[in-house]
Amino acid sequence: QSALTQPASVSGSPGQSITISCTGTIDDVGAYNHVSWYQQHPGKAPKLLIYDVSKRPSGVSNRFSGSKSGNTASLTISGLQAEDEADYYCNSYTTRSTNVFGTGTEVTVL
Amino acid sequence: QVQLVESGGGVVQPGRSLRLSCAASGFSFSTYGMYWVRQAPGKGLEWLAVVSHDGTNKYYADSVKGRFTISRDNSKNSLYLQMNSLRAEDSAVYFCAKDVPRAAAFDSWGQGTLVTVSS
Repeated sequence: QSALTQPASVSGSPGQSITISCTGTIDDVGAYNHVSWYQQHPGKAPKLLIYDVSKRPSGVSNRFSGSKSGNTASLTISGLQAEDEADYYCNSYTTRSTNVFGTGTEVTVL
Repeated sequence: QVQLVESGGGVVQPGRSLRLSCAASGFSFSTYGMYWVRQAPGKGLEWLAVVSHDGTNKYYADSVKGRFTISRDNSKNSLYLQMNSLRAEDSAVYFCAKDVPRAAAFDSWGQGTLVTVSS
């Protein structure tokens, strides 16, 4: 159960768009459309942003969007804002009926 | 609204056991799968275990399989994690989380409880 691979850090200026990748295998990201994304501010619990690749829970800004191609999922944050500065984690369901998180990406707003 | 409150964390010696609890309120607990997730200090999130809504199906991460047991008591709206043979690398904040039905995602989280394994 190796962690999904994410870039360690991504940065952007306010108003720009950034994309975070999440690479897995045919046994997780590539197997199902059960990929989710979480935002975590320091000292806080994670918050669900996206589930089932591209679905947004009620109350989550439409600046957050998700997609998937093959074994790689992506989270795009458009119109970057200062409050978007946080850690972001992807997660996928696996063929073993377990879940696995990504390595995490620190987003910096310049 | 949904509320999840973990408890039971603390300092424990290597090799000893600890039981975490998660008290749920604000939703129909018995109809949702529940999870445990942990985060070591300064590290990323690690998925640990899931239990189905009725407690019949349980799955674990390889890192805790055979040492940790997830369970639930729907009559008490409570989730548990029994942790045995604890190691230093089990030191982390432990979160419980509620399932998004049929999506294997986690839409509500507790605030976490800190477990420190140290002699």
